[in-house]
Amino acid sequence: QLQLQQSGPGLVKPSETLSLTCTVSGDSIDSIGSWWGWIRQPPGKGLEWIGTLSYSGTTYYNPSLKGRVTISVDTSKNQLSLTLSSVIAADTAVYYCARHSRNSGPRGPLDIWGQWTMVTVSS
Amino acid sequence: QSVLTQPPSASGTPGQRVIISCSGSSSNIGSNSVNWYQQLPGTAPKLLIYFNNQRPSGVPDRFSGSKSGTSASLAISGLQSEDEADYFCGAWDDSLNGRVVFGGGTKVTVL
Repeated sequence: QLQLQQSGPGLVKPSETLSLTCTVSGDSIDSIGSWWGWIRQPPGKGLEWIGTLSYSGTTYYNPSLKGRVTISVDTSKNQLSLTLSSVIAADTAVYYCARHSRNSGPRGPLDIWGQWTMVTVSS
Repeated sequence: QSVLTQPPSASGTPGQRVIISCSGSSSNIGSNSVNWYQQLPGTAPKLLIYFNNQRPSGVPDRFSGSKSGTSASLAISGLQSEDEADYFCGAWDDSLNGRVVFGGGTKVTVL
């Protein structure tokens, strides 16, 4: 059964870089037809899509974050990674990794979610 | 400001039918399928409805989805106390080189 296990620091200082990882178990992260995404949710607010990456390396990013965000994979560790540079207080949120339904591409539903990681940006 | 528009709240008594709307535009709901997510307090969102009206395995059939033009709806029939949660609609948006967009969420309260 596919599971996504998130890890990363819970506290990041302003202007520094936020880095999170999402370890996939139960499937290969680069199997054909796989697409993976990052989503965040500020406290008490709705969901905000951060970006999506395909098994072949194609990426889509939220235009409001483009230039600060990078999503990548480490196939040797079966891990998805998120880096967000120059963080500010508004980047404080719960962060989720998720899988787009197999073979549905980036338009497909997010059918498997990681547990969540709360990241606070504060000095 | 979310790209998709949902009412912030909805409520009903046990057994009632509750409908949540999700309004978008031609670049998102008008040309792509809609998905619905349920988020229970303190947990990650869970896929509830996909491709406008399909239920994943394990989702009760009292949850149903529909789409017409640039709007979509989620209906909960026979409301139960365990349905108290936040509900989000989501879709692909063809503008700005492509992106995933969500509604702001609707808090459903069971009275």
